[in-house]
Amino acid sequence: NAGVMQNPRHLVRRRGQEARLRCSPMKGHSHVYWYRQLPEEGLKFMVYLQKENIIDESGMPKERFSAEFPKEGPSILRIQQVVRGDSAAYFCASSPGPGNTIYFGEGSWLTVV
Amino acid sequence: TQLLEQSPQFLSIQEGENLTVYCNSSSVFSSLQWYRQEPGEGPVLLVTVVTGGEVKKLKRLTFQFGDARKDSSLHITAAQPGDTGLYLCAEGQGFSFIFGKGTRLLVKP
Repeated sequence: NAGVMQNPRHLVRRRGQEARLRCSPMKGHSHVYWYRQLPEEGLKFMVYLQKENIIDESGMPKERFSAEFPKEGPSILRIQQVVRGDSAAYFCASSPGPGNTIYFGEGSWLTVV
Repeated sequence: TQLLEQSPQFLSIQEGENLTVYCNSSSVFSSLQWYRQEPGEGPVLLVTVVTGGEVKKLKRLTFQFGDARKDSSLHITAAQPGDTGLYLCAEGQGFSFIFGKGTRLLVKP
C-alpha cells in the first residue's frame, strides 16, 4: 500500500508525556479516520475528519485526546499526559469520500512506560 | 448500534485444509468489507460485497454475502501458511466503519 503513511511506527513515552501520531492519507483522499486497536480487541473507531473539519469524534475519549487535519500537512492524533492504558496500536485510514471503502496505514504502536 | 459477530475467534489448521469463517450482524448490512491483518501491520482490504447473495472469488478465497444481507462467510481452500492472520469484517455505520473482533487463523506447515 503506497498510500496511507503513518509515523512514527513505534513510539515509547513515559507516563505524563505527550504522544503525537501523524497520518498522510492516500493521494486523492480527503477523508481520514483514526482507529485504536488494543491487544486481543477489535478496531475501535475514534474520529473522522475532513480537511480542517472534525466530522465525527464520537469514539474519542473526552479528555487528553485530540485530532486535527489541517489544510496543509498530515492529520495528527495527539494524546496528552499519556497513561499506561493508552498503550495500543493506532491506525489511520483514508477514503475519497464518506461511505467509501477505507484503506489503512501500517499503524503506530504506542507504548507507555 | 449494529454489532458484528465473527466466528470462530481462533482457528488452527494444517496446511492444505479448507476452512470457513463467519461474520454475522444484528441488522442488515448496506455493504460489507473483509480485511486481513498480519502481526505488526495494518488491515489490508480483501473484498467489498454489496448485493445479497453475491459471491466473489479471490484466488483460493471465496466470499459470500447472505441473501438477507445479515451475514457473510469467507471460505479458504487449501490453506497455506501465508494465509495466517487476523480476518476482520467491517460495515459502514454513519460516518465510520465498525469492525468485528476478527478470526485469528493459524495455518501450520
